[in-house]
Amino acid sequence: TQLLEQSPQFLSIQEGENLTVYCNSSSVFSSLQWYRQEPGEGPVLLVTVVTGGEVKKLKRLTFQFGDARKDSSLHITAAQPGDTGLYLCAGAKGNEKLTFGTGTRLTIIP
Amino acid sequence: NAGVTQTPKFQVLKTGQSMTLQCAQDMNHNSMYWYRQDPGMGLRLIYYSASEGTTDKGEVPNGYNVSRLNKREFSLRLESAAPSQTSVYFCASSLSGSAYEQYFGPGTRLTVT
Repeated sequence: TQLLEQSPQFLSIQEGENLTVYCNSSSVFSSLQWYRQEPGEGPVLLVTVVTGGEVKKLKRLTFQFGDARKDSSLHITAAQPGDTGLYLCAGAKGNEKLTFGTGTRLTIIP
Repeated sequence: NAGVTQTPKFQVLKTGQSMTLQCAQDMNHNSMYWYRQDPGMGLRLIYYSASEGTTDKGEVPNGYNVSRLNKREFSLRLESAAPSQTSVYFCASSLSGSAYEQYFGPGTRLTVT
């Protein structure tokens, strides 16, 4: 059972454009992590959000945790080719095992 | 400091063959995980070990066994490989439980014919 749905599944945009990807669930999570994965490598953590409504910024990337802690979004401003990759959200309930989302494959066209 | 290492990087098996995927971490982490990644499915947890000496089933444990050999090493064994086990396998570790960042290895690409 896939508890975390990500949308869109694929996204291809021009360099310099803005974009938002979403991570949605019907379950409440105590924390949510976002990872980026490049071809041939394992995922690498970008950020962890813990509090409902929390917003974290990482350079041009803005992460938001929903007020009810059931969903999250990732917004990228002025996308660059280096942002290309597979973006995965993952939710934790307490200290139980993480549940990963289905992923958004992002391609930035120079 | 190598982080999480996995061997082998690529493997081709025939149906019914067995093999063991090796994983080691040098970060003194307590928790270790095995995932498989299939197109459109994200990462699915096969088995995990919350601490040395313990292992638990994840979402898709059938056809797999694990051994937490010591704090550093966590191996995944396929006793009788099936084509449905064709996938990319990732090992990960975290300080203590899922609330902490997971560090992933580079993956093993397994094909079962």
